[in-house]
Amino acid sequence: NAGVTQTPKFQVLKTGQSMTLQCAQDMNHEYMSWYRQDPGMGLRLIHYSVGAGITDQGEVPNGYNVSRSTTEDFPLRLLSAAPSQTSVYFCASSGLAGTDTQYFGPGTRLTVL
Amino acid sequence: DAKTTQPPSMDCAEGRAANLPCNHSTISGNEYVYWYRQIHSQGPQYIIHGLKNNETNEMASLIITEDRKSSTLILPHATLRDTAVYYCIALNSGNTGKLIFGQGTTLQVKP
Repeated sequence: NAGVTQTPKFQVLKTGQSMTLQCAQDMNHEYMSWYRQDPGMGLRLIHYSVGAGITDQGEVPNGYNVSRSTTEDFPLRLLSAAPSQTSVYFCASSGLAGTDTQYFGPGTRLTVL
Repeated sequence: DAKTTQPPSMDCAEGRAANLPCNHSTISGNEYVYWYRQIHSQGPQYIIHGLKNNETNEMASLIITEDRKSSTLILPHATLRDTAVYYCIALNSGNTGKLIFGQGTTLQVKP
């Protein structure tokens, strides 16, 4: 199993540009989520999904959209990038059982100029 | 989910046990204690979790006090590769996907 994969690894955008961060998992996990991590800080939850067709907001959802058309994929879209969105983005997945643990991807390092 | 408090940093000699404390004095009866770690900006990695009883796996041991207000993560023989930020997280079993990360403890293992 590849686990949780994220692309790209690095990205530089200009203010106002849009892009999609890709996340995929091959563990048949129902639950997937996106976090961002600013320098020197812990991770903060952006959006999450408990299954295909179901998404919900986390702690810091503004400026981001998500969709979940398949179990495997959970892309994160930035419609109009802002410098405040410069961060490292992590995708995670798990089963839905009460004590299932999260598996994290390697992250995407995004810089918005 | 209950707030947790951890020391910002700790040192440990290579080969010795690393004992990382966590305070969660407001934890409720159905909240688990989870530990994750993050090595050099990689994605966080699950270590161990527990509810009431002490737990052990191939990576670490988790000691939870009888009143459940605090816990200690023990890495029995720390290596240089255990240098990381360690996060203690208390959360309801139904919210295990919604991890709330604090600042964690930066563990530096020294030769």
